[in-house]
Amino acid sequence: QKEVEQNSGPLSVPEGAIASLNCTYSDRGSQSFFWYRQYSGKSPELIMSIYSNGDKEDGRFTAQLNKASQYVSLLIRDSQPSDSATYLCAVNSQGGSEKLVFGKGTKLTVNP
Amino acid sequence: DAGVIQSPRHEVTEMGQEVTLRCKPISGHNSLFWYRQTMMRGLELLIYFNNNVPIDDSGMPEDRFSAKMPNASFSTLKIQPSEPRDSAVYFCASRAEGGQYFGPGTRLLVL
Repeated sequence: QKEVEQNSGPLSVPEGAIASLNCTYSDRGSQSFFWYRQYSGKSPELIMSIYSNGDKEDGRFTAQLNKASQYVSLLIRDSQPSDSATYLCAVNSQGGSEKLVFGKGTKLTVNP
Repeated sequence: DAGVIQSPRHEVTEMGQEVTLRCKPISGHNSLFWYRQTMMRGLELLIYFNNNVPIDDSGMPEDRFSAKMPNASFSTLKIQPSEPRDSAVYFCASRAEGGQYFGPGTRLLVL
């Protein structure tokens, strides 16, 4: 059973701080990694994808991938109350497959 | 771009009734995915299609569930007969380079 593990939280940070969200996965053959944001009552929204070891930056978001340690993380700089949501980590289940396995998500609260 | 379109947005039905959920993927996306989300189990893949062909239906819970994709712009997920444990939010997603894009979901309640 391919698994993706996330700390369910809640993770609470003050406005302006860095929020760090972590995810581990079990399938060493995974090649594609995604972060989704889901507001309460809404659908998941793709915010970042990463395929190679290292960091990938997009605005206030940085995704980090370490395939040797089988973890992927998401950093949110200058956190805003509007970043309060559940963040889902998703990993493709087999090398090259389109099928994604999702973690159960980490609930982030940014306090004004 | 209109995004992935799903209907209905909400469905309340009684146990034993047939439920049909509909999805229109983003134009040009070749892959379509059906997911179910519950608090207990999170987001689970039920089935996915590539170029209208079912590729992996290992997540379909049982024979009561069926899915079709008769053409590139339309897919259905049918539950017959429905049971209270089928109550969940059902999402459809379509895929382009860079990831999967989700529709707004159908919130299903089976009484």
